[in-house]
Amino acid sequence: DQQVKQNSPSLSVQEGRISILNCDYTNSMFDYFLWYKKYPAEGPTFLISISSIKDKNEDGRFTVFLNKSAKHLSLHIVPSQPGDSAVYFCAASFQGAQKLVFGQGTRLTINP
Amino acid sequence: DVKVTQSSRYLVKRTGEKVFLECVQDMDHENMFWYRQDPGLGLRLIYFSYDVKMKEKGDIPEGYSVSREKKERFSLILESASTNQTSMYLCASSLSTGLQFFGPGTRLTVL
Repeated sequence: DQQVKQNSPSLSVQEGRISILNCDYTNSMFDYFLWYKKYPAEGPTFLISISSIKDKNEDGRFTVFLNKSAKHLSLHIVPSQPGDSAVYFCAASFQGAQKLVFGQGTRLTINP
Repeated sequence: DVKVTQSSRYLVKRTGEKVFLECVQDMDHENMFWYRQDPGLGLRLIYFSYDVKMKEKGDIPEGYSVSREKKERFSLILESASTNQTSMYLCASSLSTGLQFFGPGTRLTVL
């Protein structure tokens, strides 16, 4: 039972354009969502998070949008840079839970 | 800065060998986790620990065991390694809930 889904295994975007990565979830109890970025042969690093009381959170070039009614979140990267090429994982949790539930990941490639 | 370190970056073992993967964190976090990452499958939780000597099975515990004798150290043990355990193993730690900090990973190959 995949509670967090990233339906696009890969995404290719031109440098300077917007990258949009999507994530869907099924458990309405989730109230905290995170995005991690992972380079090959390295551990994931935290990128940005959002709690369910908000519908948007911004940090520099990265913005996460949460649509609770659709159980959908997205990560926007503007403008995209070559260093953004990595695998992106979304993850979800709920209050009181120690565990995160991860999606399958989306490989983002930024083309020069 | 939180630091999570893993004992090896790359490891090659033979089928049937006992394998120990060690993880150490320096931020006094209560929770520690072991995941494996395989292409197309994301991060799958093997075991986690919320306190010394406490452990809970994750989604794929079969073929693995863990040990947490000290708060900063969490070990993953493959009792008898098999080829289908070839993977990237990631350790993480966190405070009570939410944000987890990951180590660099161990790429294990079982021949």
